Amino acid sequence: LAKTTQPISMDSYEGQEVNITCSHNNIATNDYITWYQQFPSQGPRFIIQGYKTKVTNEVASLFIPADRKSSTLSLPRVSLSDTAVYYCLVGFNNAGNMLTFGGGTRLMVKP
Amino acid sequence: DAGVTQSPTHLIKTRGQQVTLRCSPISGHKSVSWYQQVLGQGPQFIFQYYEKEERGRGNFPDRFSARQFPNYSSELNVNALLLGDSALYLCASRQTGGSGNTIYFGEGSWLTVV
Repeated sequence: LAKTTQPISMDSYEGQEVNITCSHNNIATNDYITWYQQFPSQGPRFIIQGYKTKVTNEVASLFIPADRKSSTLSLPRVSLSDTAVYYCLVGFNNAGNMLTFGGGTRLMVKP
Repeated sequence: DAGVTQSPTHLIKTRGQQVTLRCSPISGHKSVSWYQQVLGQGPQFIFQYYEKEERGRGNFPDRFSARQFPNYSSELNVNALLLGDSALYLCASRQTGGSGNTIYFGEGSWLTVV
């Protein structure tokens, strides 16, 4: 499974755009890139998933360059409620339920 | 539609006791996995079940066991509890066979071992 590297923490202010970049140099050809958000004492919540180029949903955008060795989660106009830990994950085992979590990025949104 | 549901949400056990945690996957999801999350760390994979068969196991001792039922719900059992087993236990489900690999998590069961 591909190892991921992401910043330990980030600070931002309400209304700003936040970009969190994740490195995954040994991503495999069939690996998807998935981001989860986790609040304290809650389960991780699916944010967005992509394979290449750009994916956008109502919550975030995911930018993946052509070599797929990194990806960037973009959160537009963050609010205080976006303060959470964000995990970048790549790779699945045969039946697709094994995820290898790293330490995640602790995003702190300030007023 | 209901998400992944887990029970109980919180429980306290004594060292040496046994615990059973329960999980109901999202309707239509046939694959269930379990994760342990110790405070301050990311979730660690314990087990994965698909069609009632174990398909993957993480680096956990034999005190940890699980099973999946015909309705695809699952139980995680931990025997001879240790203080270090105190953690948030997460269940996740996935609808295999279709496109995409989205995995959805429940809110977890908080286990405290005293």
